[in-house]
Amino acid sequence: SAVISQKPSRDICQRGTSLTIQCQVDSQVTMMFWYRQQPGQSLTLIATANQGSEATYESGFVIDKFPISRPNLTFSTLTVSNMSPEDSSIYLCSVAILRPGGSGNTIYFGEGSWLTVV
Amino acid sequence: GQQVMQIPQYQHVQEGEDFTTYCNSSTTLSNIQWYKQRPGGHPVFLIQLVKSGEVKKQKRLTFQFGEAKKNSSLHITATQTTDVGTYFCAGRGSGGSNYKLTFGKGTLLTVNP
Repeated sequence: SAVISQKPSRDICQRGTSLTIQCQVDSQVTMMFWYRQQPGQSLTLIATANQGSEATYESGFVIDKFPISRPNLTFSTLTVSNMSPEDSSIYLCSVAILRPGGSGNTIYFGEGSWLTVV
Repeated sequence: GQQVMQIPQYQHVQEGEDFTTYCNSSTTLSNIQWYKQRPGGHPVFLIQLVKSGEVKKQKRLTFQFGEAKKNSSLHITATQTTDVGTYFCAGRGSGGSNYKLTFGKGTLLTVNP
């Protein structure tokens, strides 16, 4: 398993501002991801954070809006830029850990960053 | 793209009643995972199913993976108030080397004591 720490855990942000969320993992992991969970909704993958290269974004998400850094194998940041009320969500950092015996992988989530944009 | 449908969206039961949530994928999956999210919390991994027709049990929870590896279910026997939360299935497509999961919309379970 992995212990994933996210900061901030909660924030109230003004419209038009940007906020950077940090994700720290207690071990080196190859695969790190950022998910968004809008109120009462499921989890949507924003991007895969690649160490040493640009993140891989899913359809509907762009780097200008959600720039991501991954300077090493234990740390990543997600910035939510020029926020609007529609960006009010839980943002979750996650990692994929290979299961013993190579039987696939398990996704572990951080505790999330609850953002409210006013 | 791959879609994972999950039903029901909500389920309210009396404590002691059983509960089942179902997942159906538009494509064949290499594996399916189940998560529980308590109100105000983050998703927590419950189990992964890999083999066709696989059945796994965790105490009162029974997980099944369909023969065609396109559907799955989670059954809780004799629900307790501690079972309250949203249960998500998440499927990983077959083929390719990425770790991307597609989540269902989740089933919110509430239990009346």
